[in-house]
Amino acid sequence: KAGVTQTPRYLIKTRGQQVTLSCSPISGHRSVSWYQQTPGQGLQFLFEYFSETQRNKGNFPGRFSGRQFSNSRSEMNVSTLELGDSALYLCASSRDSTNEKLFFGSGTQLSVL
Amino acid sequence: AQSVTQLDSHVSVSEGTPVLLRCNYSSSYSPSLFWYVQHPNKGLQLLLKYTSAATLVKGINGFEAEFKKSETSFHLTKPSAHMSDAAEYFCVVSDSGYSTLTFGKGTMLLVSP
Repeated sequence: KAGVTQTPRYLIKTRGQQVTLSCSPISGHRSVSWYQQTPGQGLQFLFEYFSETQRNKGNFPGRFSGRQFSNSRSEMNVSTLELGDSALYLCASSRDSTNEKLFFGSGTQLSVL
Repeated sequence: AQSVTQLDSHVSVSEGTPVLLRCNYSSSYSPSLFWYVQHPNKGLQLLLKYTSAATLVKGINGFEAEFKKSETSFHLTKPSAHMSDAAEYFCVVSDSGYSTLTFGKGTMLLVSP
C-alpha cells in the first residue's frame, strides 16, 4: 500500500512568485492536513480538508490556500512568496474525520530566494 | 486553547541506557495526546497515543508514555536506547474532536555508541 506522496520533493522559487504543492493521500483516506515546519517555529497547522471541504484553518495569511479534489488528492498554493515562507511543507492523511492517526508524507522543501 | 511544551530541545544518551523525553501540556478539554517521531528526511510517524483509556500507553519500538493529569505531563520513555532511535520526537495535543493538533517544538534524541 503506497504511503502519502508529496511532489515535488524540493522547490526553489524567488520572492513574489507563486507555488503549488501536491499531496496524494493513502488510498481510501479522505482527510488531508497541511503543516509548515521551520527550525524556529516548529510544526504549524495550515489547514485541513475532508471530502473536498476545508474543515479547519490555521493562523496563516490569505496568501496560503488549498483545495481537495474528489479523489482526495490535495494541493496547496502560496502566492506572492516571501523569504519567510522557506520551510518544509508536510502533508498528512487520515482515514476519516477523526484524525486520530495521521500518516505523513516526506514533505516538500521550499526555498525562497 | 491548547499548548504543548517539550522541556528539552536535545537529549543525549548512550546506547543501552534509558530514554526520557519530557512533555507538559495545557488543554481546556479532556485532551488526546500523541508522540510522533521524525527520522532525517522522512515524514512523521505515530509512536503512541493516549485517548482517556489506560494512563500508561505502550507504543511501537519499545516506547511508552504515562499520562499524569495532576502534573499535566505525558513523558515518553524507553528502557534501553538503540542507535536507530536517534531522531526528533514531537509531543502533540488535540481536543476531543481531533480537529486541530498542536505540536510541541520537538526534542532531538542523540544516541552515542
